[in-house]
Amino acid sequence: KQEVTQIPAALSVPEGENLVLNCSFTDSAIYNLQWFRQDPGKGLTSLLLIQSSQREQTSGRLNASLDKSSGRSTLYIAASQPGDSATYLCAAAGYQKVTFGTGTKLQVIP
Amino acid sequence: GAVVSQHPSRVICKSGTSVKIECRSLDFQATTMFWYRQFPKQSLMLMATSNEGSKATYEQGVEKDKFLINHASLTLSTLTVTSAHPEDSSFYICSANPHHGRQRTNYGYTFGSGTRLTVV
Repeated sequence: KQEVTQIPAALSVPEGENLVLNCSFTDSAIYNLQWFRQDPGKGLTSLLLIQSSQREQTSGRLNASLDKSSGRSTLYIAASQPGDSATYLCAAAGYQKVTFGTGTKLQVIP
Repeated sequence: GAVVSQHPSRVICKSGTSVKIECRSLDFQATTMFWYRQFPKQSLMLMATSNEGSKATYEQGVEKDKFLINHASLTLSTLTVTSAHPEDSSFYICSANPHHGRQRTNYGYTFGSGTRLTVV
């Protein structure tokens, strides 16, 4: 059974800082790993998708890496902004099923 | 890009009534859709997998008679919460993969905007 854990559970940083969110998964037999953003009371917005054969993906100030062998993925956010405040979820996609992490609640202080 | 539309976004109902939530794939056909539930301050938990033209597959601990799923067409899946109770209050969200079953690794899952259900 796949288990996905995210550390830290909550993070508060001043505006402008670079930060790293961590995601670990127990079963390395995944098709891809996806990072999402969820604003309070809202649905999910896909940020980055890393296929199992890839090591990293970049979009703007976001960079996500994947190390299947160690069961880890990181989301790097450069030059954080107050608008980045949200809960970030990682999700590991296996056969027929996606398992979500526990989420990291990020607060960027102006 | 692939879009999944979910309706309603928010619903309040009385205890004992039933509520239907719709999930539509707008620009692709989805033979399979997924229904998740999220309790406050918790992550999303898969409830069931909806299969077009056949019965849904429910996760362990999810009551199939309480959460009725119908996937009658390639673009629509519905979740009906029957005889709702306050403990059913939660955030429900559906998902589909435009390439589920073929070239699945090339694209991720697309999610609806979610439905906030409050049972009073």
